[in-house]
Formats: sequence, structure tokens, C-alpha cells
Amino acid sequence: KNQVEQSPQSLIILEGKNCTLQCNYTVSPFSNLRWYKQDTGRGPVSLTIMTFSENTKSNGRYTATLDADTKQSSLHITASQLSDSASYICVAKGDSNYQLIWGAGTKLIIKP
Amino acid sequence: DVKVTQSSRYLVKRTGEKVFLECVQDMDHENMFWYRQDPGLGLRLIYFSYDVKMKEKGDIPEGYSVSREKKERFSLILESASTNQTSMYLCASSFSDRVNSPLHFGNGTRLTVT
Repeated sequence: KNQVEQSPQSLIILEGKNCTLQCNYTVSPFSNLRWYKQDTGRGPVSLTIMTFSENTKSNGRYTATLDADTKQSSLHITASQLSDSASYICVAKGDSNYQLIWGAGTKLIIKP
Repeated sequence: DVKVTQSSRYLVKRTGEKVFLECVQDMDHENMFWYRQDPGLGLRLIYFSYDVKMKEKGDIPEGYSVSREKKERFSLILESASTNQTSMYLCASSFSDRVNSPLHFGNGTRLTVT
């Protein structure tokens, strides 16, 4: 069964600290994995995409990794800011444009 | 910037009412989607459309229908609202001919059925 699992479900950290969010997927065939950020009351916004051949990609303070062998991805946030408080959702894409398997998200709270 | 606009942020309807959720995008995207988002669950696809007047069922189409008469507009219809359709509804759009094109979402409509 195709599925995506994220951990932890929620996370609270102090401003300025780093954190890592995890995403495990069992999607076959696998095309790519994307991370979205969803602010409260808003729709998700794409942060980055990891294709099968990519291991690491950075977007400012966000660094995503992908291990296609273990079917795991992570999103590392460096020097967290209050504006990083949001839900982070990973989604794996299968072999069609419409086959997207969504994780339930990690709710991240940054405290001052 | 791509803009996906959902006509209502909040809706409260009674059981049995017919409900229309409207979505408009301004980027000439071919693909449009309707999802529902519930706590603790991943987004679930209700319907999608890859062209005007075309529609495809997603994972949970029961109790819903859609209409796409114009490329920029995709409507979700609840024929007879029920309490289990209380949820956040998200509309999204994307290009169909660009590999790895992301989804662009509206800000959602929170529907409560009483």
C-alpha cells in the first residue's frame, strides 16, 4: 500500500534552535518527494522538491535530504525563526501527475 | 505570483443543503484539484480536472460532484450536505506539461455542516 508517514506529529522548539522533520514513504514506483509549508489559515506552499537522483537540496535555512534506498526524507531547519511556526507536509509522487501520496504533516511551534 | 482564490473562507450549512464551493486561478493552469483536509490525515483528493469540461474522480468522490465550464474556474458541489462533510476544503492548480510542477493552493474554505 502506498503511504507516507511523518514524524514527529508535533514539535516545540525555542527560537534560534535547529530541528529535523522526518518523512518515510512507501510509494512505488517513485518519482519525487516534495515538502510543503502550511501556515495557519493558509494553503500549503511548496518549499522544495527532491527527485530520485538528488540527495540534498537547500533553500535558505531549509535543507532537504532524500535517501531513495531507505525511502526516507528529512527537512532540516537551521536557526529557527518565529515565522517557521507552521505545519510541514511531505508528499510523494508516483508515476502519474495525479498520483500524490500525502503525509499528515508535522506541526512545528517556535517559542520565543 | 500564482493566485488561487476560494470564494469563501468559512461556510456554515445545514444537513441536506446543496453547497457550492468556488475556486478561481489566474495562471492559465490546465490542472485543478479539490482536496479535503482533516486533522491527523493527509490531504485526500476528491476530484481533479485536467482540462475544461473534463473531470476525474479522486480517492473520496462520494457525495461530491464538480464542474469546470471555464479553464480558470473549478467548482465543488455537495449535492446534499452531511455532517461528515464538515472539513477544510482546499483547491489547487498546476501546469500539466511541466515536469515536477508544484501545486498552488488557495487558502481553503472551512465548511461546517450542522
